[in-house]
Amino acid sequence: AQSVAQPEDQVNVAEGNPLTVKCTYSVSGNPYLFWYVQYPNRGLQFLLKYITGDNLVKGSYGFEAEFNKSQTSFHLKKPSALVSDSALYFCAAEMIKAAGNKLTFGGGTRVLVKP
Amino acid sequence: SAVISQKPSRDICQRGTSLTIQCQVDSQVTMMFWYRQQPGQSLTLIATANQGSEATYESGFVIDKFPISRPNLTFSTLTVSNMSPEDSSIYLCSQTGASPDTQYFGPGTRLTVL
Repeated sequence: AQSVAQPEDQVNVAEGNPLTVKCTYSVSGNPYLFWYVQYPNRGLQFLLKYITGDNLVKGSYGFEAEFNKSQTSFHLKKPSALVSDSALYFCAAEMIKAAGNKLTFGGGTRVLVKP
Repeated sequence: SAVISQKPSRDICQRGTSLTIQCQVDSQVTMMFWYRQQPGQSLTLIATANQGSEATYESGFVIDKFPISRPNLTFSTLTVSNMSPEDSSIYLCSQTGASPDTQYFGPGTRLTVL
């Protein structure tokens, strides 16, 4: 069975410092990988995805993520965090199947950016 | 991206009653999904809503408890039946948009069962 792990429940970072949110996956084949963000009392917003090609993908709000096949990781990064980046972040993997695509989510990581 | 709306945005219900959640998307899509997010936890797929046929349920979810309708390509409903406090969660619908490999989510319905 496929699984996605986010080893940190919470990440604290000072505003202006680099932000990294970790994600590892365990799936067979070549999964599609995603990052979503959830702000309080709101739904999930799509940030970025990796399908194929360049291992470094860029997404919304200055976020990027690096796909590392050998380490089965897809860490989310932002060079300079903002207080407004404080939210809950989810990593997800999708196996593309004829019967329909299914997203498997990690447990989520709460990011707190302090002024 | 896609525009997805859900009704109601939140509700407080009594044990033993049922609630129907509506999901409306702004374009005709093939795939619509329903997820549950229990308090402090991640998202779990309940079922795939298929247009014109029965929904496909994930392990641990059954049609009697979570009946789903999808009468057309832009609308779906999820009913939470015979509710108990354990059903208190955020329920989210999602769709695949112009990019079929990416799911976009609605704002969610926050359900509290007393």
